[in-house]
Amino acid sequence: GEQVEQRPPHLSVREGDSAVITCTYTDPNSYYFFWYKQEPGASLQLLMKVFSSTEINEGQGFTVLLNKKDKRLSLNLTAAHPGDSAAYFCAVMDSNYQLIWGSGTKLIIKP
Amino acid sequence: GALVYQYPRRTICKSGTSMRMECQAVGFQATSVAWYRQSPQKTFELIALSTVNSAIKYEQNFTQEKFPISHPNLSFSSMTVLNAYLEDRGLYLCGARVGNNQAPLFGEGTRLSVL
Repeated sequence: GEQVEQRPPHLSVREGDSAVITCTYTDPNSYYFFWYKQEPGASLQLLMKVFSSTEINEGQGFTVLLNKKDKRLSLNLTAAHPGDSAAYFCAVMDSNYQLIWGSGTKLIIKP
Repeated sequence: GALVYQYPRRTICKSGTSMRMECQAVGFQATSVAWYRQSPQKTFELIALSTVNSAIKYEQNFTQEKFPISHPNLSFSSMTVLNAYLEDRGLYLCGARVGNNQAPLFGEGTRLSVL
């Protein structure tokens, strides 16, 4: 079945710098992907959902890139600010409509 | 707007006792509800997926005998943790979605501590 690997597990960047979190998946037929943000003590907040037909997806302060050839999904935060400090999780929907989760990245933004 | 409400937010129970948590879909009808556990330092483990008109499907390492789930209608689901022990500690999240191709909406979770 689908397997998802997320890197890095921990990431620390200075305020104003960019941060990149990457997930790789194994099933080339996967077509629906998600990024969630979890702030300390809080639940999961959906950042973006991505269909396989769209390789570049832009949100507020971040971009999600999908490389289908390499089976890689990345979350790129531009100009990170303290509010971006959180855990980030990718999830890939498998052919049974179930979500396969990455192991998470704990992002810390230093002043 | 649509949201998922979970109750209680936090609970503490004695080792060997049971506790029940609830999940309410507000503003939409959830065709499926997934229960997850996020243990300390771990990612999300899917406990079970409950889909309308289908039997509740439990993942490996989770059983109905330990985590009985009730899903009586499209707005509500509850799960009980029976005979809770230390390894059952964590944040229990309910993710509800309208259709198979939709991103699940999550409640704020029930944080379970076991003494």
